[in-house]
Order: sequence, then C-alpha cells, then structure tokens
Amino acid sequence: TQLLEQSPQFLSIQEGENLTVYCNSSSVFSSLQWYRQEPGEGPVLLVTVVTGGEVKKLKRLTFQFGDARKDSSLHITAAQPGDTGLYLCAGINFGNEKLTFGTGTRLTIIP
Amino acid sequence: DTEVTQTPKHLVMGMTNKKSLKCEQHMGHRAMYWYKQKAKKPPELMFVYSYEKLSINESVPSRFSPECPNSSLLNLHLHALQPEDSALYLCASSQVPPPGDYEQYFGPGTRLTVT
Repeated sequence: TQLLEQSPQFLSIQEGENLTVYCNSSSVFSSLQWYRQEPGEGPVLLVTVVTGGEVKKLKRLTFQFGDARKDSSLHITAAQPGDTGLYLCAGINFGNEKLTFGTGTRLTIIP
Repeated sequence: DTEVTQTPKHLVMGMTNKKSLKCEQHMGHRAMYWYKQKAKKPPELMFVYSYEKLSINESVPSRFSPECPNSSLLNLHLHALQPEDSALYLCASSQVPPPGDYEQYFGPGTRLTVT
C-alpha cells in the first residue's frame, strides 16, 4: 500500500499569513495532483505536477514536486478566507491503476 | 468544460429500499470512477470503468452495483444498504483510462443517508 502522509492535519491561521502544506511518501510517483474540497462538495483539481523539482504557480498558490518525486508541497501566500477547505494531494504510479489520496489537510483562514 | 454532474444531491433511503445514483460527463472521457468518502477522510475508490467496461472493483459489497450504459453515463445501484454505508458518494472521470498519467475530475457528490 502506498501511503501519502500530509502535514499538518489541521491548520488555522489569520487572513494575510503564509502557510505551507506537505505531502510525503516513501514511494515514487509518476505524477501528483492537488485538490481542494469544500464541505459537501467534490474535490476540485488545482494542479498536476509530473517532473521532479517542478514548480507551478496558481495565483497565490505555489506547488512543488520533490526532486525524487516522493513528496510535494503547497505554499499559500497572503491567505484569504476563500482558501478555507480540505486540501488533498493524490499520486499516481505507473503500473498502479489507482489514484492514491493523501490523508488531507483541513485549512481554516480566519478573517 | 470540465463538469461532472451527479444526481441526486441528497438521498435518504431505508435499508430495504432500492435506489440509484447517476453521474454524467460530456468531456469525452473514457474512464469513470465511483468513490466513497466518509466525514473527515479522503475519498476511497470503489469502482473504475475503462471504455465502458468494469476494470477495478475494490472488493465492494454486492449491495453496491455499478453500471456504465455508455461512455457519458455511470450509475450506482443501491440495494439493502446498511447505516454504515451513509457517506458522500463521488463520481469522477478522466480522459485516459489507467494506467498512466491522468487527471481526474470530480462531480459534486451525492450525500447518502441510510436509515
């Protein structure tokens, strides 16, 4: 079983602060995706990273894939209340037909 | 358009009822998925359809019966469920069937309550 551990599990910060969420595994992934999910809704795909060391930016969100493709991070600059939600990383391996989800990080931005 | 639609949004059913969940996508995707998500947990894969054929069943109890009538539609038939089956049921689709790199797009889910 390939596990993706996310940290922290919960994070509550003030509006305007910066934060980083981590997604770690002992397995190598061919690609990794980040989703945000709001209560009662389905996960929304934010980004896919496929190359070791790759960095992608989506407005105030910066995603990085580790050089060894075993880990990833999500950095949010100047967090806003609209960033509140459950953040899920999910990895895919060649030869494994399933998307492996991380344990999730529940983020709350306090106005 | 990356929209996956699911109906109904909410469903309450008794343990003796038969009901169906529906999922639809018009993105030309050839893989579709059913996931189950309990509160405060990540989604758990139930079934995968590739080119309208069932390719993965994650040892799901037979009271859950998937069906893929065509490349745009995915159903999940429910019969004799248990209260512990109450959860958010998510449908997803991807352009490329597994294995390989692919991105999954999720629907809004059906909140199922079994009484």
